[in-house]
Amino acid sequence: EPEVTQTPSHQVTQMGQEVILRCVPISNHLYFYWYRQILGQKVEFLVSFYNNEISEKSEIFDDQFSVERPDGSNFTLKIRSTKLEDSAMYFCASSERIGEAFFGQGTRLTVV
Amino acid sequence: AQSVTQLDSHVSVSEGTPVLLRCNYSSSYSPSLFWYVQHPNKGLQLLLKYTSAATLVKGINGFEAEFKKSETSFHLTKPSAHMSDAAEYFCVVSGPNFGNEKLTFGTGTRLTIIP
Repeated sequence: EPEVTQTPSHQVTQMGQEVILRCVPISNHLYFYWYRQILGQKVEFLVSFYNNEISEKSEIFDDQFSVERPDGSNFTLKIRSTKLEDSAMYFCASSERIGEAFFGQGTRLTVV
Repeated sequence: AQSVTQLDSHVSVSEGTPVLLRCNYSSSYSPSLFWYVQHPNKGLQLLLKYTSAATLVKGINGFEAEFKKSETSFHLTKPSAHMSDAAEYFCVVSGPNFGNEKLTFGTGTRLTIIP
């Protein structure tokens, strides 16, 4: 069964460092998303991506964040200068149609 | 703007008894609604979805949910709980079926199964 894969599963980084979280969406999907879940809090939308551009982003997705689809398969989330409050589980998702998103296992980002 | 409210943060049931996880939604559009499950240290798995077809929706692992517009509810049920059902459950709403709508998650309900 096709699935969304995310790497790494756990990333520890020092405050102020750049991190790149990687995702391989399901191959025939057209819509891509990043969500995050801070420990003990709800899952929050960060950004959606379609046709090689951002289609929607939340207020959380400020200038420190960027997304890219560098080739036909990968979808990345970059955080330029990490802060302690960026520590969270980051989920990548993809969908063939609106709303029915398939999620990866998540990357746990720990900023120290 | 759309939102969902999960009425219980924690539900405990005995194995073999029915499960009811409650969700109310608010949407200015005809919503698409979903239930996702998250097992410990796992990703989010789609259980079932409602997209304006049948109001009673059947999902995986014996779960089902009924869309009730008059009550703005989308409660998740299962006739008989199994130990493997222990997990966090999220009620989720998305916008109308055009554009690239984000998913808005509820705060989650942790389901505990008592042996």
